[in-house]
Amino acid sequence: QQQVKQSPQSLIVQKGGISIINCAYENTAFDYFPWYQQFPGKGPALLIAIRPDVSEKKEGRFTISFNKSAKQFSLHIMDSQPGDSATYFCAASKRGAQKLVFGQGTRLTINP
Amino acid sequence: GAVVSQHPSWVICKSGTSVKIECRSLDFQATTMFWYRQFPKQSLMLMATSNEGSKATYEQGVEKDKFLINHASLTLSTLTVTSAHPEDSSFYICSAWRDSSYNEQFFGPGTRLTVL
Repeated sequence: QQQVKQSPQSLIVQKGGISIINCAYENTAFDYFPWYQQFPGKGPALLIAIRPDVSEKKEGRFTISFNKSAKQFSLHIMDSQPGDSATYFCAASKRGAQKLVFGQGTRLTINP
Repeated sequence: GAVVSQHPSWVICKSGTSVKIECRSLDFQATTMFWYRQFPKQSLMLMATSNEGSKATYEQGVEKDKFLINHASLTLSTLTVTSAHPEDSSFYICSAWRDSSYNEQFFGPGTRLTVL
C-alpha cells in the first residue's frame, strides 16, 4: 500500500514531442504528489506538484494530470527539448506526514 | 527559492575510516531533514529522518551505529558513515522539509562517497 508504481522505466521522445510518464498508487491517504527531475550526479529538483483537489496543474511546459478515482497521476512534458533529458521521479506523501514515497524513476531521453 | 547545500560534493576515503557529510538549508529553517542513499540507475532509498533536537528515526534495515545522524540546529544535519567499507560507496542525498501546505521537500546536490 505504500508503493508508488512508475512507468515506463525509460522513454525516448523526439524533440518537440510530448513526453508522458505515469504513476499509480494504492494508499488513498496520500494527498500530495510531487514530481522531481534529476540530472546525472545531481540531487533531485522539485519540478511540479499537485494535490487531489484539482485534476490538473500546469507550469510552463509541464503538466500534472491527476485521476483520483483511478489513483493515477501523470507528468506531461510538452514540446520536449534535449535539455529535458533526465531521470524523473514521481512521489507521494500523506497529509501531516513528511516522508515521501518515491516511484522507481523514468529515464527520459529527448533526441534532437 | 529554497536552497539546500551538501558538503563535500564528493569524497574518497580508505576502508575503516569515518566520513562526515553536512547538509544545510540555506534560506529556511528545517526542523526535519532526510537522508537518502541512491545506487546507480535506481530510485532514492530513505535511510533516516533527522529531527532537530532529538534522535534520528532510522528506516528498517539501516544500521544506526553505522550511519550516525546529528541534527545540530534548524539549518544543519550531519551524516557520519563510521568505519566505512567499499559497500558503503554510494550517492548520499539529503533533503530538508519546508513547512507549507504542500509538504515541500528540497534536496541537496548529493555527495558521492567512494570507499577504497
